[in-house]
Amino acid sequence: DVKVTQSSRYLVKRTGEKVFLECVQDMDHENMFWYRQDPGLGLRLIYFSYDVKMKEKGDIPEGYSVSREKKERFSLILESASTNQTSMYLCASSFLGSGDEQFFGPGTRLTVL
Amino acid sequence: GNSVTQMEGPVTLSEEAFLTINCTYTATGYPSLFWYVQYPGEGLQLLLKATKADDKGSNKGFEATYRKETTSFHLEKGSVQVSDSAVYFCALSVYDNYGQNFVFGPGTRLSVLP
Repeated sequence: DVKVTQSSRYLVKRTGEKVFLECVQDMDHENMFWYRQDPGLGLRLIYFSYDVKMKEKGDIPEGYSVSREKKERFSLILESASTNQTSMYLCASSFLGSGDEQFFGPGTRLTVL
Repeated sequence: GNSVTQMEGPVTLSEEAFLTINCTYTATGYPSLFWYVQYPGEGLQLLLKATKADDKGSNKGFEATYRKETTSFHLEKGSVQVSDSAVYFCALSVYDNYGQNFVFGPGTRLSVLP
């Protein structure tokens, strides 16, 4: 079974802190994605990566950065957390083909106080 | 551009009722279509998919048929169970001028009452 794991299920941080969310997949997928999910807004794409050291901005990249140093690992960084970044963060991965589905991790619920 | 529209719900049904969740799409190329399900407190899981016109995806009693003529991929189940209570997302994947593009609908919350 494909597995996508995220470093934490729940995280509480303070405003201004630097926050790292890590995601690891074990199926040699080229693509990796970070989304945030908020009530009434669905999934919104923050960043994605189609190869090591490659990254592309999604729909809402402001306030976030990413790092992909190894194929299996994709990190989301909040440089200075703010309360409006309180959300559920979902990581996903997929092969490159358009017929290939995304596999999701369990999510990290981040609360910024 | 590429987009997915689905009924937002919430949808509330009694156990054993028939379920339809409508999904329509627009795409600049030839998309693959997906339904994902999200149970409370979890990430999204693939429920079913179809990669070309007239394909039918099916899983766990759910079905959806890729209808190119109506640009639709409606999800159906003949008899829902309480355990089907979840949020359902319609999605597409397509290659366009900007590369591979995944688009998700807003999700439909389904509650099934015993």
